[in-house]
This record gives sequence, structure tokens and C-alpha cells, in this order.
Amino acid sequence: DAGVIQSPRHEVTEMGQEVTLRCKPISGHDYLFWYRQTMMRGLELLIYFNNNVPIDDSGMPEDRFSAKMPNASFSTLKIQPSEPRDSAVYFCASRISRYTFGSGTRLTVV
Amino acid sequence: TQLLEQSPQFLSIQEGENLTVYCNSSSVFSSLQWYRQEPGEGPVLLVTVVTGGEVKKLKRLTFQFGDARKDSSLHITAAQPGDTGLYLCAGVPSGAQKLVFGQGTRLTINP
Repeated sequence: DAGVIQSPRHEVTEMGQEVTLRCKPISGHDYLFWYRQTMMRGLELLIYFNNNVPIDDSGMPEDRFSAKMPNASFSTLKIQPSEPRDSAVYFCASRISRYTFGSGTRLTVV
Repeated sequence: TQLLEQSPQFLSIQEGENLTVYCNSSSVFSSLQWYRQEPGEGPVLLVTVVTGGEVKKLKRLTFQFGDARKDSSLHITAAQPGDTGLYLCAGVPSGAQKLVFGQGTRLTINP
């Protein structure tokens, strides 16, 4: 089992650019979660899906953020346009009975 | 405002000492979990406690869930340098589906 796979591991981009983060959950897991981690705010839930359907996006900070799950094996989190305050580590996690987290994408917006 | 408050936020002790980390809330949780996170990696689940008053042991780590299911503690006996890391408590509030995290306790064990 390869676990939850996130790409890229690191992303540096200029303010105003579009950023797309990718996640491949563990096969058979029916829930997928996107979290953001910063020193100031810790781990915050952005959005989660059940069987590819978005259930709760109340944690998405603003309209610049969007997430999709076109099928059971792939999800994306997009930021357009990116801003320096979006700099953080973004984690994807999937779950059937227990949560398994990916290694995260460290995003730096300059 | 954090739904789960952890204390202390930072702890640095010598190898061989004992320590306790606390996770408190004013809300009831259907379960609480403890995770450990190392630099450059995602959190890894250590334990889930479900029943009020429950105690679980994982080698030198002892986890307890409060009787009212509002708080939990993690006790480490004879800490080792390998215990160094960020310890996070997390819980699913009753009636909800989403896992919320405390701010974490950054633990450093000095040889």
C-alpha cells in the first residue's frame, strides 16, 4: 500500500499565479480531506468529500480556493490567484475507518 | 478559538524524565485521537479513545479519555530522544463527521 500520495512536495510560486495541488487517496477509502497547516493556526480542515461528493467546504478561506474530486482516485485543490498568506503546508488525508495523511505539499507564495 | 486546547505548547525535557500532555475542550467528543508528526511528514495516528474513562497503553505511552469525553491526556514514561516530535490531539465533535485538531505540543527530548 503506497499510502496517500500528494504532489508536488514543494511548490514555490509568485503572487497572482494559479497553484494546483494533487492527491491520490488510498484505494477503497470513501472519505477524502484537505487540511492546511501553519504555525499560527495549526491544522485546519478546508474541505472534505464522501464518495467523491463535497460534503463540507466551510473551511475554504475564500473564493480563490476550489477543490474537486472527479473520481475515487484523484482530487485537486486549486488556488487562483495565489497570495503570500496562502503559504502553508497542505495535507490530504483519506479514511475508511482511520485517517491516513499524505506527506503534504509545502507551498510558498512570494 | 480552538475547539481543542493543548498544553503545554512546547516542552523540552531530559531523557529519562516523565511528562504529560493535555488536551481539553468544552465540547463533548464521540472520540479523541492522538497523532505524532515528524518534520516533513503528515500526522500519524497513535491511538483512538472512544469510551469515557478509557485508558490505552502503547509501550511507554499512556492515553486517557476523560469521563465526560471532553478531555484527554498523553503520558510518556522515561522519555527517549526518539519521542521528539509534534503531538496532536484530534477529535470528532458529537454529531459531526469532521476531525478537528488541537494546536499541538512540540516535544523535545534531550539526550
